[in-house]
Amino acid sequence: AQSVTQPDIHITVSEGASLELRCNYSYGATPYLFWYVQSPGQGLQLLLKYFSGDTLVQGIKGFEAEFKRSQSSFNLRKPSVHWSDAAEYFCAVAPNSGGSNYKLTFGKGTLLTVNP
Amino acid sequence: DSGVTQTPKHLITATGQRVTLRCSPRSGDLSVYWYQQSLDQGLQFLIHYYNGEERAKGNILERFSAQQFPDLHSELNLSSLELGDSALYFCASSAYRGYTFGSGTRLTVV
Repeated sequence: AQSVTQPDIHITVSEGASLELRCNYSYGATPYLFWYVQSPGQGLQLLLKYFSGDTLVQGIKGFEAEFKRSQSSFNLRKPSVHWSDAAEYFCAVAPNSGGSNYKLTFGKGTLLTVNP
Repeated sequence: DSGVTQTPKHLITATGQRVTLRCSPRSGDLSVYWYQQSLDQGLQFLIHYYNGEERAKGNILERFSAQQFPDLHSELNLSSLELGDSALYFCASSAYRGYTFGSGTRLTVV
């Protein structure tokens, strides 16, 4: 069964610092990959997704992620964090073929705190 | 506004009761997925419907059921509620691996 691991439960960075959130997946084949953000009391907003092609994916709010097949990783990065980026971030995978259920499987999330 | 509408936003009910959560997908999306988010379990897939048919079940309790109607809206029915059912329930509608989430229903069982 597919699984997603986000090794960091909580990360604290200073405003203006760079950010990298880690995500590793376990899957039989390269799945479709996603990053979502959830602000307190809010729903899940899609930051970016990877289906195929260029392994460096640009998303909204200045985020990018890099797919590394050899490491089964899809890490999220931002060069300069803003206070408004404080939220919880979820990595997710979905099957890229076969069957009729393309459900998303989520990691446990990484809570980002931004210090002024 | 994501285009996916969930009602109600908040629900407080007593143990043993039954509630119905509603989800209206984005226009044109045929798939609806339900998820439960709790502090200890994270985001857990419950059930998937496609164009009115159940396609897959995840970690859904027997006390829970769902359906998708001809107009594609979906309802998640939770019965014999327990304290542990308190959680945030999301639905997501999907087309071509694009998944759009609603803002969720926060269920509190007291």
